[in-house]
Amino acid sequence: GAGVSQSPRYKVAKRGQDVALRCDPISGHVSLFWYQQALGQGPEFLTYFQNEAQLDKSGLPSDRFFAERPEGSVSTLKIQRTQQEDSAVYLCASSSPIPGAYNEQFFGPGTRLTVL
Amino acid sequence: DAKTTQPNSMESNEEEPVHLPCNHSTISGTDYIHWYRQLPSQGPEYVIHGLTSNVNNRMASLAIAEDRKSSTLILHRATLRDAAVYYCILRDLGRTALIFGKGTTLSVSS
Repeated sequence: GAGVSQSPRYKVAKRGQDVALRCDPISGHVSLFWYQQALGQGPEFLTYFQNEAQLDKSGLPSDRFFAERPEGSVSTLKIQRTQQEDSAVYLCASSSPIPGAYNEQFFGPGTRLTVL
Repeated sequence: DAKTTQPNSMESNEEEPVHLPCNHSTISGTDYIHWYRQLPSQGPEYVIHGLTSNVNNRMASLAIAEDRKSSTLILHRATLRDAAVYYCILRDLGRTALIFGKGTTLSVSS
């Protein structure tokens, strides 16, 4: 079956450009997460949605980072005025919270962003 | 969040068992122990989780110390496809996000 998909897989931006990264979660999954993974590090949490509601955005590193999920399915992570330190792999994950059950997160392949 | 400590790297030979340790001495009573792995150029994938009792699934086994201050992920017969970074994560069920450390990079030789 279809897993989590992300596009583009690779993005090169010049410093100062705005970028938009897309995530298509598994159909029917209520929860959606964004993580940032710098080279050689583990993923770091950015933000979390339950349906269209952004319930936790404590991991967003600055106000240049903005995420939305307007219809509770596809999500977009936008980075304004990109900086070199934004270069990383951006991972999206989804899960379907089932009461009383373990809800593993299913990850997409990530978008590798390189800011020149 | 409670912290986990894992070795940076481990090596194994194909077809041999692999024991990946994780120390979590500050674990709280409501923390579950989760393992995810990340194959090269892919997103992380779930491996196994447990609370107090040892757990088995088709991918691996999880052995949890009686005091819960450490655990071991066991791959019974390593294959080349098991070469990945393995992350040990503590998470209270009331928390949604996963907090990853640096993990253990497992190399498997033929």
